[in-house]
Amino acid sequence: RKEVEQDPGPFNVPEGATVAFNCTYSNSASQSFFWYRQDCRKEPKLLMSVYSSGNEDGRFTAQLNRASQYISLLIRDSKLSDSATYLCVVTPHNTDKLIFGTGTRLQVFP
Amino acid sequence: GAGVSQSPRYKVAKRGQDVALRCDPISGHVSLFWYQQALGQGPEFLTYFQNEAQLDKSGLPSDRFFAERPEGSVSTLKIQRTQQEDSAVYLCASSLSQGAGQPQHFGDGTRLSIL
Repeated sequence: RKEVEQDPGPFNVPEGATVAFNCTYSNSASQSFFWYRQDCRKEPKLLMSVYSSGNEDGRFTAQLNRASQYISLLIRDSKLSDSATYLCVVTPHNTDKLIFGTGTRLQVFP
Repeated sequence: GAGVSQSPRYKVAKRGQDVALRCDPISGHVSLFWYQQALGQGPEFLTYFQNEAQLDKSGLPSDRFFAERPEGSVSTLKIQRTQQEDSAVYLCASSLSQGAGQPQHFGDGTRLSIL
């Protein structure tokens, strides 16, 4: 079983739609949580950190549920430019390395 | 710009050859990471440096893989006697300091193809 699991998609949604991605992680001692965005043939870029209290950045909302070991990302009012792969990322306890999920591919169409 | 720079962008090698991949981190960044990304997968951790010290090499797939950062700045990932399964994108990332919450900044990667 992979340490971080995501539905690979693809999720095909129209512009303006709301879409949600979920991710689960297996190591209960994990300490930091992130969503990264990766465009085709480009490097991953940090989208946002994820906190238990939930956090919002414009149209993006991230949530962490430590009890269920579950992370979510909600995108409201999808734009064509949101089309990318969204990577769920976890940092295990006592290390700085990143553990990535497989990624969920999002395609927003006109 | 002043981001993480990797070279070469593309490398094609024949099976059995040795290759060397270079990473120039953001100036002043203490931590440097190498990841391997196979097609359709997320990046997988290979190794991590804090300054010149290699603190974790648990992700290196075999003893054919070797990384160094002798002066605490530029790093080189070397793969000896390459195999077809080594074909992947090799990503380098750096962060300003130690700490799990520090954002990691990635380079464009080196796309390695082993024939």
